[in-house]
Amino acid sequence: AQTVTQSQPEMSVQEAETVTLSCTYDTSESDYYLFWYKQPPSRQMILVIRQEAYKQQNATENRFSVNFQKAAKSFSLKISDSQLGDAAMYFCAYRSVNSGNTPLVFGKGTRLSVIA
Amino acid sequence: EPEVTQTPSHQVTQMGQEVILRCVPISNHLYFYWYRQILGQKVEFLVSFYNNEISEKSEIFDDQFSVERPDGSNFTLKIRSTKLEDSAMYFCASSPGTATQETQYFGPGTRLLVL
Repeated sequence: AQTVTQSQPEMSVQEAETVTLSCTYDTSESDYYLFWYKQPPSRQMILVIRQEAYKQQNATENRFSVNFQKAAKSFSLKISDSQLGDAAMYFCAYRSVNSGNTPLVFGKGTRLSVIA
Repeated sequence: EPEVTQTPSHQVTQMGQEVILRCVPISNHLYFYWYRQILGQKVEFLVSFYNNEISEKSEIFDDQFSVERPDGSNFTLKIRSTKLEDSAMYFCASSPGTATQETQYFGPGTRLLVL
């Protein structure tokens, strides 16, 4: 079974600075999808960014980018120019591609604080 | 932008009571999911649903749980006889069903407290 590990329970960053959240995963599959979800205090899960394993190019979405290292099974999230609204719980998630409705496997999350 | 909605936002119930959590997935989505998150822990998969039947379920989803799509819009999770350990945030999600790489979109969650 696949597992996702987030080794940083908490992180903090100064406003306007850059922070990187770590995620590693374990799988025997060669093709899969990886996601970062944000969960603000409102508790809603919001998709931040998605990466297809077959793509070598790292995904980017405005201030958010990933460093995807397939061989190392690492999928870190970089937040540039951090804003107060970025404060939230961030979850890394893995999804197999075996079928259209494969469930997500989540890590335990990293709580990000943004300091003004 | 279309959203997944869930009702109620909060539910308090007595142990042993039945609860029904409701979700309205995004229109035209074909795959539906329930996840739960016990306070301070990670989000866990419960069940997925497609074409009016369960397509996959986890070990958590035992006989106390059931899902159905009673009409064309609602997707419900029923817990027949709640236990203290069922207290959690329950998230509904849906995905389009058009391709394997699609994203699952989550609702705001229902916070269930069993006393």
